[in-house]
Amino acid sequence: DGGITQSPKYLFRKEGQNVTLSCEQNLNHDAMYWYRQDPGQGLRLIYYSQIVNDFQKGDIAEGYSVSREKKESFPLTVTSAQKNPTAFYLCASSIGREEKLFFGSGTQLSVL
Amino acid sequence: DAKTTQPPSMDCAEGRAANLPCNHSTISGNEYVYWYRQIHSQGPQYIIHGLKNNETNEMASLIITEDRKSSTLILPHATLRDTAVYYCIVRAIYNQGGKLIFGQGTELSVKP
Repeated sequence: DGGITQSPKYLFRKEGQNVTLSCEQNLNHDAMYWYRQDPGQGLRLIYYSQIVNDFQKGDIAEGYSVSREKKESFPLTVTSAQKNPTAFYLCASSIGREEKLFFGSGTQLSVL
Repeated sequence: DAKTTQPPSMDCAEGRAANLPCNHSTISGNEYVYWYRQIHSQGPQYIIHGLKNNETNEMASLIITEDRKSSTLILPHATLRDTAVYYCIVRAIYNQGGKLIFGQGTELSVKP
């Protein structure tokens, strides 16, 4: 089955630690996105990538980093500079400029 | 991208039609209206989108007013599984920025 796989489903971060959230898609989509969702809130865009080896900051990129070395993969690193990382993180993809997004099932990140 | 306004919550009786409104008074001529929904702790799911004509698919119908300043998503026979947060989004189909901005959405509760 084609789709987007996010892992792990739950992740815990210690103070001062960097953690990486995985996002893999086998839909052959060009564009990939990372969103953050806080309880009771809508989604906020962190980073997005339209093609391999290129990505742009979204509205809340500070404290996060990404890479896009392969079309299928778009990992998100939550760095120690992100002081309030506890949130639900969602990865999505779309076919180039086609605006129909396909989402993964999300990763819940919590701070120990 | 134009902003949208949705009521924070709505109730609907099971088996009845659910009509979810969205205001987008600053919408531009090249901006589409998209609807997604998110069931608790899952990734959002695409429902439908349209430009100016009414649209229907297996999930829902989208009614856009003639002036395009508002729209209504219709779930013709709501079931308990339709309980979710529904997001209305407007954006240009060839948006160079690649952003898709989600607001707070409408929390629909379908009751027996």
